[in-house]
Amino acid sequence: AQKVTQAQTEISVVEKEDVTLDCVYETRDTTYYLFWYKQPPSGELVFLIRQNSFDEQNEISGRYSWNFQKSTSSFNFTITASQVVDSAVYFCALKMGRRYIFGTGTRLKVLA
Amino acid sequence: GAGVSQSPSNKVTEKGKDVELRCDPISGHTALYWYRQSLGQGLEFLIYFQGNSAPDKSGLPSDRFSAERTGGSVSTLTIQRTQQEDSAVYLCASSASGVRYEQYFGPGTRLTVT
Repeated sequence: AQKVTQAQTEISVVEKEDVTLDCVYETRDTTYYLFWYKQPPSGELVFLIRQNSFDEQNEISGRYSWNFQKSTSSFNFTITASQVVDSAVYFCALKMGRRYIFGTGTRLKVLA
Repeated sequence: GAGVSQSPSNKVTEKGKDVELRCDPISGHTALYWYRQSLGQGLEFLIYFQGNSAPDKSGLPSDRFSAERTGGSVSTLTIQRTQQEDSAVYLCASSASGVRYEQYFGPGTRLTVT
């Protein structure tokens, strides 16, 4: 069965702290993609990052970084030096073929 | 803009009435998805269209739900005989063809059934 688990329902941090959002997935497919999306209070989901199943490495894009580990089926996402505008619900998603499986989301609150 | 648009943004309807929700995907995107998001919950897959292929309807919760996509572009999600449990935000997303491509989401339609 395919499944995405985001165990953290809500996280609160103080501005400028680093924060890591956890994501664990299940799939039997060997070819898949993983995504992180952000849903700010305005409601519209925004694509953040993408990871394929072939490259197991850490990546950095601006204040965002992510760690993909196939051995533990984890795809964790880190925001460095968090800002109030980062406050949102973050969704991890698994795509195999044409279907996306979304986690239940982690609500991040960044306090000034 | 050139993003995914949805209409109406809000819809209040009485229990038992039919509603139609519209989605205009990004031009050139062959894949179109409908999701339902209940308050504070994740995204529940409803239906998927890809080009001229038969849609994947496996996520539709009951036969009261149907969707069509005309001309490979605009899509309409229809809910017949609405129930209070249908109250949710209905999200549409489109993407380019291919497993590597991300989805682009519309702003959603908030449906309230009274």
